[in-house]
Amino acid sequence: EAGVVQSPRYKIIEKKQPVAFWCNPISGHNTLYWYLQNLGQGPELLIRYENEEAVDDSQLPKDRFSAERLKGVDSTLKIQPAELGDSAVYLCASSLGPSSIDTQYFGPGTRLTVL
Amino acid sequence: ILNVEQSPQSLHVQEGDSTNFTCSFPSSNFYALHWYRWETAKSPEALFVMTLNGDEKKKGRISATLNTKEGYSYLYIKGSQPEDSATYLCAPYGGSQGNLIFGKGTKLSVKP
Repeated sequence: EAGVVQSPRYKIIEKKQPVAFWCNPISGHNTLYWYLQNLGQGPELLIRYENEEAVDDSQLPKDRFSAERLKGVDSTLKIQPAELGDSAVYLCASSLGPSSIDTQYFGPGTRLTVL
Repeated sequence: ILNVEQSPQSLHVQEGDSTNFTCSFPSSNFYALHWYRWETAKSPEALFVMTLNGDEKKKGRISATLNTKEGYSYLYIKGSQPEDSATYLCAPYGGSQGNLIFGKGTKLSVKP
């Protein structure tokens, strides 16, 4: 069974440029998550989707970040414009459901460097 | 905000050594605790999901225990191997929206 797929794996951009990350979750997983991982920190949730609905986006900086999950499958996370402080690893994960015992399966992440 | 503490921050051991790390979390309103293993340049890999006080889970040479009354979990690795080198993350389920709250992790390096 294919795991969570993310692209690109690495991205280097200049500040103020836009950037987008793509995620394809495990087939049949209704819940999709985007996390941000800064160096030396654990992953922090940015947004959680149940099918195509964003049910928790409280930690998403909405002035520059946006996300969508078309048809409840693939998802895209966008930053526009990027700032130096956005350099981090962006992880996507999916699970069958959102309960406390549902295992989240992670993709390899996109490492973003903003110059 | 759920406060999750992992210790030590990093650990260097020799091949064959056994080791253990700690994850501390608030004991009130406990639902579940997840452990992950994250090797550099790879995807975080789920190790265990633990829910009951006194739970003990095992996967090969790795095992974990859970104490929900005092709010801690231990992860043990018996006879560490170089391929065990990774960052080990714990994540209790909680918060106002019900999500995983990750600790900063323990980075393990196993020297041949």
